[in-house]
Amino acid sequence: GAVVSQHPSRVICKSGTSVKIECRSLDFQATTMFWYRQFPKQSLMLMATSNEGSKATYEQGVEKDKFLINHASLTLSTLTVTSAHPEDSSFYICSAPKAGLAGGPGETQYFGPGTRLLVL
Amino acid sequence: LAKTTQPISMDSYEGQEVNITCSHNNIATNDYITWYQQFPSQGPRFIIQGYKTKVTNEVASLFIPADRKSSTLSLPRVSLSDTAVYYCLVGDSGAGSYQLTFGKGTKLSVIP
Repeated sequence: GAVVSQHPSRVICKSGTSVKIECRSLDFQATTMFWYRQFPKQSLMLMATSNEGSKATYEQGVEKDKFLINHASLTLSTLTVTSAHPEDSSFYICSAPKAGLAGGPGETQYFGPGTRLLVL
Repeated sequence: LAKTTQPISMDSYEGQEVNITCSHNNIATNDYITWYQQFPSQGPRFIIQGYKTKVTNEVASLFIPADRKSSTLSLPRVSLSDTAVYYCLVGDSGAGSYQLTFGKGTKLSVIP
């Protein structure tokens, strides 16, 4: 199947600092990628849609000035958590769609391994 | 986006077949049904995807009735390593870069 990577896998930072998380599609190109956040024992919640060459679109309640998304190329999207605070501590996961797999004509979303962020 | 409903949890003994059913009553004509598996502190892993009838791959089968208002993921002969959360999602995967909305998923516990 398709491979999506994330870096770093985990990061610890002090409150008030900014943290950048990278999401890469390793063997395919993705004009769109998605960013999710998952708190302990909860499901994934979509934060934003990252669009190559244009602005990201954010879900309701997600602050676009706090979670900066840049989709600079067809294989890389970055999420920057600016002025991180302890309540931003979470598991951040990206996904990218790849067409033509799973035996059907549609797309399949492939997820990265996730990035664990801990803000002290 | 179609909403899905799954059992919160299931228990099974090793070696048994496990069937997890998902309801998606307002599935749209263009929606595909996709199942993912997630282990703690890992991203979801694709298991299987289908549109109608039955789909089988090397790890699972997916049964979809004619009305498509539900689907059943079948895991043959589960092992301890199949203990995970399983998510059923629906979306218009033919429309280019569709969003996925995750429900609560089903936590499967495999007992030795």
